[in-house]
Parts: sequence; C-alpha cells; structure tokens
Amino acid sequence: TQLLEQSPQFLSIQEGENLTVYCNSSSVFSSLQWYRQEPGEGPVLLVTVVTGGEVKKLKRLTFQFGDARKDSSLHITAAQTGDTGLYLCAGYNTGNQFYFGTGTSLTVIP
Amino acid sequence: EAGVAQSPRYKIIEKRQSVAFWCNPISGHATLYWYQQILGQGPKLLIQFQNNGVVDDSQLPKDRFSAERLKGVDSTLKIQPAKLEDSAVYLCASSLEGIAVPGLDTQYFGPGTRLTVL
Repeated sequence: TQLLEQSPQFLSIQEGENLTVYCNSSSVFSSLQWYRQEPGEGPVLLVTVVTGGEVKKLKRLTFQFGDARKDSSLHITAAQTGDTGLYLCAGYNTGNQFYFGTGTSLTVIP
Repeated sequence: EAGVAQSPRYKIIEKRQSVAFWCNPISGHATLYWYQQILGQGPKLLIQFQNNGVVDDSQLPKDRFSAERLKGVDSTLKIQPAKLEDSAVYLCASSLEGIAVPGLDTQYFGPGTRLTVL
C-alpha cells in the first residue's frame, strides 16, 4: 500500500532550471518530512513541516504542506548538479504509522 | 559523533538460504528502524523498536523475517528462508526520541546492506 504518491517519478533537467516535486495522499498526515538520498547512501532529512499551509525555505529549496495536510510540494530554484538524487517525502498518518513516498529521481544535467 | 553502522554492506545468497544483518545505532538513540528499499522505490518500514520493545511491525513478513534488539542498543534482522523478491537494500535508522515526538524526530540512516538473492 502506497499512501504517499510522488510525481513525477523521474525528472531530468538542465542546470539553472526550476522544478517542483509533488507528494500526495488521500490520508491526513500529522507531519511531513522530505529526504534526499544519494546512490549507496541512506536518506538524509531536509525538512519537517507540521502545520497545514506551512511554507519553509532552505536556500534554494521551498517546501509547502497542504492546508488539509494531505499533500506537500518541494520546489527547487536554479537547480545545480549537486541537487541530483532521489527525493522522498515521508510522514506519520493520524494512526502513528510511518510511511515513505514512492520517490522522485532527479538528475540535473550540467 | 559516529553515525549508524551496518554490516555487511553487500551480501549475495541463493534462495532458501538464511541471512542476517546487523545495525549499531547512534549512541543514546532510543528508537531503531529497519527498512526495505527495492531499487527505484521509497523505503518500506519493516519494524520499529523503542528501546528494546516493538512499536510497529505491521509490514514485517513474519513468516520469514525476524528482528531483535537485545538490551535496547544494536539490532539484528534475519531472513529465513530468503526468496528472490527479498533482493533489496536493507536500511537501518535511529532517532533520539521516536514515538515520543512522532513525525518531529530526525531519523539518521546507515549506508544500508545490499542483498542479492539468486
């Protein structure tokens, strides 16, 4: 059961372009986290959003939690080759069960 | 501060054989997680320990998978017998507080063990 669906599944863009990754669910999540995973390594936490409608910015990355707490997005401005990786959303549903999303593989071409 | 340690990094076995993975979490972390990550997919939580008690093992295939965390520190995940579909990376993670602050705690991941079942 995939409670968190991410789109797109694959994304290949030129350096300097902007992109948005989406994380959607039919269930309500008490919080959402975003991770980035590089080949051969474990995921690394980027951000946690807790409040519906919350927006957090980390340098060129902007994270938003939907008002109904069922969806989230990650926007990257002026992508760099170092942004290449697998982006994963994850969170606890209201039943305190933890799920990762299906993943978005991003490749930034120099 | 040392990170989460896992061993072995790679393992190749034949189907119906048994295999075990070991994880040593960050010192002082109460919560330990085991995940299965199939290539190109997000990790799937297999089991979550809080100290040495099981918090969630709802997605653990209990007919062949088992895990223990004796003394609330390091942990072992075992597969017996292995099937072809068990080929995946097995990730271990730990966090300081876990269910005490669900969704707010940071999980720190190890590098994983890549299992190939032939």
